Amino acid sequence: GNSVTQMEGPVTLSEEAFLTINCTYTATGYPSLFWYVQYPGEGLQLLLKATKADDKGSNKGFEATYRKETTSFHLEKGSVQVSDSAVYFCALLNTGGFKTIFGAGTRLFVKA
Amino acid sequence: SAVISQKPSRDICQRGTSLTIQCQVDSQVTMMFWYRQQPGQSLTLIATANQGSEATYESGFVIDKFPISRPNLTFSTLTVSNMSPEDSSIYLCSVEDDRGGYNEQFFGPGTRLTVL
Repeated sequence: GNSVTQMEGPVTLSEEAFLTINCTYTATGYPSLFWYVQYPGEGLQLLLKATKADDKGSNKGFEATYRKETTSFHLEKGSVQVSDSAVYFCALLNTGGFKTIFGAGTRLFVKA
Repeated sequence: SAVISQKPSRDICQRGTSLTIQCQVDSQVTMMFWYRQQPGQSLTLIATANQGSEATYESGFVIDKFPISRPNLTFSTLTVSNMSPEDSSIYLCSVEDDRGGYNEQFFGPGTRLTVL
């Protein structure tokens, strides 16, 4: 079946540090991959997406590359800010499917 | 992209009562979904709602507890019945859109429910 595994949190970083949140997936077919972000007290927002192998999604300084050979979609940011403190969810939506599968979420704390 | 609104945005309810959450989409969509996000947890799909047919519930969720209506292609409601504190969660409406040439799912802002 389809599944998403992401690194456990919380992750605590100082401002301007480099961020990596690992995400791997299991899927049949050719899924689309997503990172969603949930800021404190808010709903879910799409952060970035990639729809095929080797695509790189990017937004707000975050980026993730769809790696089919390693079934991974790791989220990275070169220099985090306090305002990036949130919960980040990796997710997949399989071809022809209609149920987005979410990872467990990784909470990020950024200290000033 | 689809724009989704939900009402209410948050509510505090008493045990044993019911709350109906509304979801409105700015375009016609075939499939709408309801998710629950319990405190500190990931999202769990409650059910899929197609217009003109009964909702399809995921394991662990039943129609008596979470009745869903889908009267047209832009609107759906989820009722949380006979609430208990364990129902305190964020409830999210979602739609699937493939107009960009690939499947993408959009989420409403969520309804934050607290049951006392």
